[in-house]
Amino acid sequence: GNSVTQMEGPVTLSEEAFLTINCTYTATGYPSLFWYVQYPGEGLQLLLKATKADDKGSNKGFEATYRKETTSFHLEKGSVQVSDSAVYFCALSANTGNQFYFGTGTSLTVIP
Amino acid sequence: EPEVTQTPSHQVTQMGQEVILRCVPISNHLYFYWYRQILGQKVEFLVSFYNNEISEKSEIFDDQFSVERPDGSNFTLKIRSTKLEDSAMYFCASSGTSGNRGIQYFGAGTRLSVL
Repeated sequence: GNSVTQMEGPVTLSEEAFLTINCTYTATGYPSLFWYVQYPGEGLQLLLKATKADDKGSNKGFEATYRKETTSFHLEKGSVQVSDSAVYFCALSANTGNQFYFGTGTSLTVIP
Repeated sequence: EPEVTQTPSHQVTQMGQEVILRCVPISNHLYFYWYRQILGQKVEFLVSFYNNEISEKSEIFDDQFSVERPDGSNFTLKIRSTKLEDSAMYFCASSGTSGNRGIQYFGAGTRLSVL
């Protein structure tokens, strides 16, 4: 079946620290992979995506590379800011059906 | 930027009562979804809706749940007789395309508390 396993939180970092949030997946076929972010009081917003193996998605300084050999899509940012404090969700869309499969979400707090 | 809006942001209800959660998808989107997240657990798919009918549903989406697009703009989720275990955050989403290339756009969610 299809599933996503995401690093447990919460994560607390100092400003300018390096961020990694791990995400691994199980899927049949060739899924697309996504990172969504939820700021307080707002909806889940697409942060970045990758649709095939070795694709790198990037946005706002965040990056994630679709690694088929390790079934992973880890989120990274070189230098986090206080404004990056949010909950981050890894998600998968399989090539059959329309539903997304989400991880549990990882809460990130960045302190000045 | 167009967005998905959900109302109310928080709904409190008594066990056994009916609730209707409302969503206004992005106006030119054709595919609509409901998900839920029980506290501390994964975001789970409930149902997808296209062309005025359910296209896919999960095991969670039993006879107590129904969806409707009553007019050209709203998309609703009804829970007929709420149970304590229905307490969760409910997210509505919409997309312009289907399949695994389609991005789903999510609302801020409705927190449902069943007492």
